[in-house]
Amino acid sequence: SQTIHQWPATLVQPVGSPLSLECTVEGTSNPNLYWYRQAAGRGLQLLFYSVGIGQISSEVPQNLSASRPQDRQFILSSKKLLLSDSGFYLCAWSVMGSEAFFGQGTRLTVV
Amino acid sequence: QKEVEQDPGPLSVPEGAIVSLNCTYSNSAFQYFMWYRQYSRKGPELLMYTYSSGNKEDGRFTAQVDKSSKYISLFIRDSQPSDSATYLCAMSVWVEYGNKLVFGAGTILRVKS
Repeated sequence: SQTIHQWPATLVQPVGSPLSLECTVEGTSNPNLYWYRQAAGRGLQLLFYSVGIGQISSEVPQNLSASRPQDRQFILSSKKLLLSDSGFYLCAWSVMGSEAFFGQGTRLTVV
Repeated sequence: QKEVEQDPGPLSVPEGAIVSLNCTYSNSAFQYFMWYRQYSRKGPELLMYTYSSGNKEDGRFTAQVDKSSKYISLFIRDSQPSDSATYLCAMSVWVEYGNKLVFGAGTILRVKS
């Protein structure tokens, strides 16, 4: 069966520090991968999606970037965090754009 | 105009009530329709998935899609306190490089015992 791993679960980082969140999927090949951000009490904002290695599409201009170095690995990064980057970050995968399955999320607090 | 509109609630109902959650959308290219349940501080969990107009039933849950009206609904029968969560509708559309998922803002549901 397919599983998705996302870590860390919580993270507190100072303003101006770098960020690296990692997501890996097991049990499937060539998945579509997604990074979402969820602000407190709000819906999911799509940040990046990827349909293959090295193929990244960005939905909104921001202080973040994404990379897909391997088929089932998706990384969210920032060189310098801002206070506004705080939120709940969710990685998800799908096959052929059908239903998506989510990781347990990373709660990021920038202080 | 947002692509997907969802009433954020909160919606408060007594235990045993029938709950109706709704979303409207503007993009007629959406192909797949999903409902997710999200408990506090957890990732969303897929509840229902469909791609055609009509009803789909799974236990106490029924998903309804009306493509002509661009409207989807989730009905929960015999609601339980454990159903208290945020419910998110989601839709997918084919874009140049693959499928993109778009979510509604989520409706907070509280079932009182």
